[in-house]
Amino acid sequence: GENVEQHPSTLSVQEGDSAVIKCTYSDSASNYFPWYKQELGKRPQLIIDIRSNVGEKKDQRIAVTLNKTAKHFSLHITETQPEDSAVYFCAAKAGGTSYGKLTFGQGTILTVHP
Amino acid sequence: NAGVTQTPKFQVLKTGQSMTLQCAQDMNHEYMSWYRQDPGMGLRLIHYSVGAGITDQGEVPNGYNVSRSTTEDFPLRLLSAAPSQTSVYFCASSYLPGLKGQGYTFGSGTRLTVV
Repeated sequence: GENVEQHPSTLSVQEGDSAVIKCTYSDSASNYFPWYKQELGKRPQLIIDIRSNVGEKKDQRIAVTLNKTAKHFSLHITETQPEDSAVYFCAAKAGGTSYGKLTFGQGTILTVHP
Repeated sequence: NAGVTQTPKFQVLKTGQSMTLQCAQDMNHEYMSWYRQDPGMGLRLIHYSVGAGITDQGEVPNGYNVSRSTTEDFPLRLLSAAPSQTSVYFCASSYLPGLKGQGYTFGSGTRLTVV
């Protein structure tokens, strides 16, 4: 089945800096890659996603890039703010008979220092 | 529109007890799933369903049962609780691929402790 590796496990930045989180996946048939943000004690919330026919997607201060050849995708957060502090999860959804199944990375704890 | 509703929010069980975690969604999502979240291990899929009457195993199904008698409900049963099942459990739902969108909506979670 699909395997998703996420790095780094922790990331500490100063307010205003950029943050980058990277994920690799194993199943070349995967076609959908969402990113979730989870604040302490809360549920994961979808923040951005990308499909396999797109190389990059932006939404204000966040962007996701996808390299299908290398089977990796990344989350970029610019001008970080303290409220960006949370755990971020990447995920990959396989195509074919693995209908709807999302495999998650291990998570990155992002801390933004004021 | 309540989204995904999970109950209970907290539960303490003794080893060997059984219980059912409830999950209901009102978005007419075909796909529903259960994940457990443990420190450093992300979210791991327990069981999932692509529609009423259809369920399948995920990555860590042992010790859990599910059923999907209606589109709205997807309960998770712990057959004989073990300390290794201490975790936070999330229910999530979405439309099937190719339809209105693929993003998951998560419930608020159930924090389960087995002593």
